[in-house]
Amino acid sequence: SAVISQKPSRDICQRGTSLTIQCQVDSQVTMMFWYRQQPGQSLTLIATANQGSEATYESGFVIDKFPISRPNLTFSTLTVSNMSPEDSSIYLCSVWTDTEKLFFGSGTQLSVL
Amino acid sequence: GIQVEQSPPDLILQEGANSTLRCNFSDSVNNLQWFHQNPWGQLINLFYIPSGTKQNGRLSATTVATERYSLLYISSSQTTDSGVYFCAAQGRGAQKLVFGQGTRLTINP
Repeated sequence: SAVISQKPSRDICQRGTSLTIQCQVDSQVTMMFWYRQQPGQSLTLIATANQGSEATYESGFVIDKFPISRPNLTFSTLTVSNMSPEDSSIYLCSVWTDTEKLFFGSGTQLSVL
Repeated sequence: GIQVEQSPPDLILQEGANSTLRCNFSDSVNNLQWFHQNPWGQLINLFYIPSGTKQNGRLSATTVATERYSLLYISSSQTTDSGVYFCAAQGRGAQKLVFGQGTRLTINP
């Protein structure tokens, strides 16, 4: 398994500001992902964080809104930029281990006023 | 891409009951996993099961890949089993897991 530390655990932000979420893994992993879970909904993949190169974004998500960094094999950040109330969600970091299992951090509960 | 459908959407049971949750997927899969999201939001990986049957305590899962479905069985339910259960599948050639809409399970004492 993998131990994933994600912070902050929650935040309340003002419209128009940005928030950076950090994800630290206790071991080197190739595949890291960022998911969004809107209230009462399932998980939607935002992007795959690629080490040393630009992230791969899913349809409906763009780099200007959700810039991602992956400086090494244990760390990634997701920034939610120019926030609006529609960005209020849980944001989850996840890693795909060599056992083929997906593990999640504890999530960041974001509320935008 | 692959479509993942779960049923039922909601399930309310008394403590001690057994339950079966179903996951249908639209294409062949390389990877299928079951997760439990507890009431505090934490997602726990229950099973990696692209085919066959696995058991872990009161939980077991079976995937029939040729018929494109997976089942999660919970026996002798406890209140701590409450939460949302998600199935996620990776289609052949894909590099991501697609999640179903989940089954919300409520176990009453």
